[in-house]
Amino acid sequence: SQKIEQNSEALNIQEGKTATLTCNYTNYSPAYLQWYRQDPGRGPVFLLLIRENEKEKRKERLKVTFDTTLKQSLFHITASQPADSATYLCALALNSNSGYALNFGKGTSLLVTP
Amino acid sequence: EAQVTQNPRYLITVTGKKLTVTCSQNMNHEYMSWYRQDPGLGLRQIYYSMNVEVTDKGDVPEGYKVSRKEKRNFPLILESPSPNQTSLYFCASSLSPATEQFFGPGTRLTVL
Repeated sequence: SQKIEQNSEALNIQEGKTATLTCNYTNYSPAYLQWYRQDPGRGPVFLLLIRENEKEKRKERLKVTFDTTLKQSLFHITASQPADSATYLCALALNSNSGYALNFGKGTSLLVTP
Repeated sequence: EAQVTQNPRYLITVTGKKLTVTCSQNMNHEYMSWYRQDPGLGLRQIYYSMNVEVTDKGDVPEGYKVSRKEKRNFPLILESPSPNQTSLYFCASSLSPATEQFFGPGTRLTVL
C-alpha cells in the first residue's frame, strides 16, 4: 500500500544549527512534493514545492532535496531560530485517473531551543 | 487579502443534529478540498472538488457530504454527526491539487 513516512519523534535542536527533516515514501511515483509548516491549532502554510525532475530547491534559509531513486525528500532549515519551532508536513501529489491527488504525511515536530 | 475563511471556528453539538461548516475563498481557485486532522493520524482528505459541480471522495468520506454550486464556496455537511467525527477540520483551495494549497483557519468540532 502507499505510504508517506515522516519521523514521528520530535526533533530538538539548538538555535543556529541546521535542522534536517525526512520524508520517505513507498509505492508512489509522485510528480510533485510539497512541504508545509503547521503551528498548533492553525492551518498548514505552504513553504516549498519541488518537481520530480528537480534535485534541489532553495528559499531563503530553507532547502529541499528530492531523490526519486531513494524515494526520499530532505527538508533543511539552516541557522535555525526558536521561531522555526512548528510541525512540518510533506505532501505528495500523485497523477491519478481523475487528475492529481495530494496526500500528506503525519508531520514531524521541530523544537528549536535558544 | 487573499484568504480562505471557515465558519464556525468552534462548534459543540450533539449526535444526530445536522450541521454545515462553510468554506469560502476569494482567489478564484478551481480546486477546493476538505481535510480532517486527528492526533496520530495526520491530515486526511474527506472530499475534494476540481471545479463547480464536480466533487469526488477523498480518503475518509463516510458521514460527510459536500456541494460546489459556486466557485468560491465549498460547504461541508454532516447530516447526522456522530462522536467519531469530533475533529479539527480544514478547508483548502488552490489552482490545482498539485500546486500550493491555501488552508483556512480550521474548525474545531466536538460531537457529544
